[in-house]
Amino acid sequence: DTGVSQDPRHKITKRGQNVTFRCDPISEHNRLYWYRQTLGQGPEFLTYFQNEAQLEKSRLLSDRFSAERPKGSFSTLEIQRTEQGDSAMYLCASSLIWGANTGELFFGEGSRLTVL
Amino acid sequence: DAKTTQPPSMDCAEGRAANLPCNHSTISGNEYVYWYRQIHSQGPQYIIHGLKNNETNEMASLIITEDRKSSTLILPHATLRDTAVYYCIVRVTSGTYKYIFGTGTRLKVLA
Repeated sequence: DTGVSQDPRHKITKRGQNVTFRCDPISEHNRLYWYRQTLGQGPEFLTYFQNEAQLEKSRLLSDRFSAERPKGSFSTLEIQRTEQGDSAMYLCASSLIWGANTGELFFGEGSRLTVL
Repeated sequence: DAKTTQPPSMDCAEGRAANLPCNHSTISGNEYVYWYRQIHSQGPQYIIHGLKNNETNEMASLIITEDRKSSTLILPHATLRDTAVYYCIVRVTSGTYKYIFGTGTRLKVLA
């Protein structure tokens, strides 16, 4: 399968614990995005990378959240000191931006976080 | 990015055409209209996009009004598997390229 893959698919943790999600984008894609989705809402933009550079972060991304994309390949999203309000689906997407390519996003299946 | 307005829910009979409207009255000249759908518990899936001309692909047709202030996604022969939340998004194709999702239209295809 050459799509976007995310791991783990489900994570249950206790409040105050740290969690890390991994995203493997489509291999030739140079952009990688993280979104968060809560029940009944559309996905909310968190941050994005072009290659290894993190170019924009949403104000939703508090200082407990950190994302990296070393070497411009896979990406990790870490949440420190989790809170119950962090419970959501975390979606990763990738795209190829070049020339006239209009860069539609390809999403993974998401990582569902439940904070008890 | 321009905001979009979609009805929260719609029903469609199986085998009939599903017409999903979207208003984007503040769209700018360099903003494209994109449609995605999200089937329960899956990530959003790209359907189609356009700038000002009508577009068709194997999944759907996109009709954009001449003033570009609204558009309609058409699923010509809806099946039960088309039951999903459909998102209409407008975005520039430069800079961030980020998508701002609204709450979409929940389409239910009825047998």
